[in-house]
Amino acid sequence: AAGVIQSPRHLIKEKRETATLKCYPIPRHDTVYWYQQGPGQDPQFLISFYEKMQSDKGSIPDRFSAQQFSDYHSELNMSSLELGDSALYFCASSPDLQTFFGQGTRLTVV
Amino acid sequence: DAKTTQPTSMDCAEGRAANLPCNHSTISGNEYVYWYRQIHSQGPQYIIHGLKNNETNEMASLIITEDRKSSTLILPHATLRDTAVYYCIVRGYLYSGGGADGLTFGKGTHLIIQP
Repeated sequence: AAGVIQSPRHLIKEKRETATLKCYPIPRHDTVYWYQQGPGQDPQFLISFYEKMQSDKGSIPDRFSAQQFSDYHSELNMSSLELGDSALYFCASSPDLQTFFGQGTRLTVV
Repeated sequence: DAKTTQPTSMDCAEGRAANLPCNHSTISGNEYVYWYRQIHSQGPQYIIHGLKNNETNEMASLIITEDRKSSTLILPHATLRDTAVYYCIVRGYLYSGGGADGLTFGKGTHLIIQP
C-alpha cells in the first residue's frame, strides 16, 4: 500500500541557511501534518493542513512556514537555521481518525 | 486535549501478553484514546483507537474502563519486534477550520521485549 513519502531523507545545512522539506501524502488523504522530533525528545506537532488550508498550529517557530499545494503535497520551509533545528521531521497524513506517518527527514544543522 | 500518564518503561517476555496502562483522568466525552508506537527513529505507527467500547484489531486490543479515566493496550503475543516507545494520546474529534487537530505526544512507555 502507498505510504507517506518524504524527501529528502537526510539533509545537512549550515547555520543561517534555508531548508525545504517535501511531503507527499497518501492519495485521498485530506489532512497533512508536520512534526518535529529533537534528539531524545518526543514528536512535537508543528502545523497541519486540511484541503490545502492551514488547519491547526502547534509549536512552529516563526522562521518556519509551510503550505499545501493543489496536488496535496506539502512543503515545510525553514529559514535562518539554528543548531537547535537539528531534528527528525515527520510528515503525516490522515483521511479521518487514523494518522499515517512518513519515515521522516533527518535535518542536521552544522 | 486531556493529559495522559504512562509508566516510563516496562519489560515483557517474548511470547507473553504485554499490557500497557494509561491514565487519562481528565478525558472529556468527545475525546478518543489513541495508541501509537515508535520503533527507534522510525515514523510513529498507528496501533488502535477507541471512544468508550473495547476495541480489537490485528495488532492489539484496547480496553477502556467504564469511567474512561484509564485504558490498557494489550499486545497478545509480544515479539522482539514489538520493542518500541508506546504513546497513549487523547484527542478530540474536533475540526478547527477543517481537519482534525494535531496529536500531542507525551513521554510514552518504552516497552522492552526480552527473549
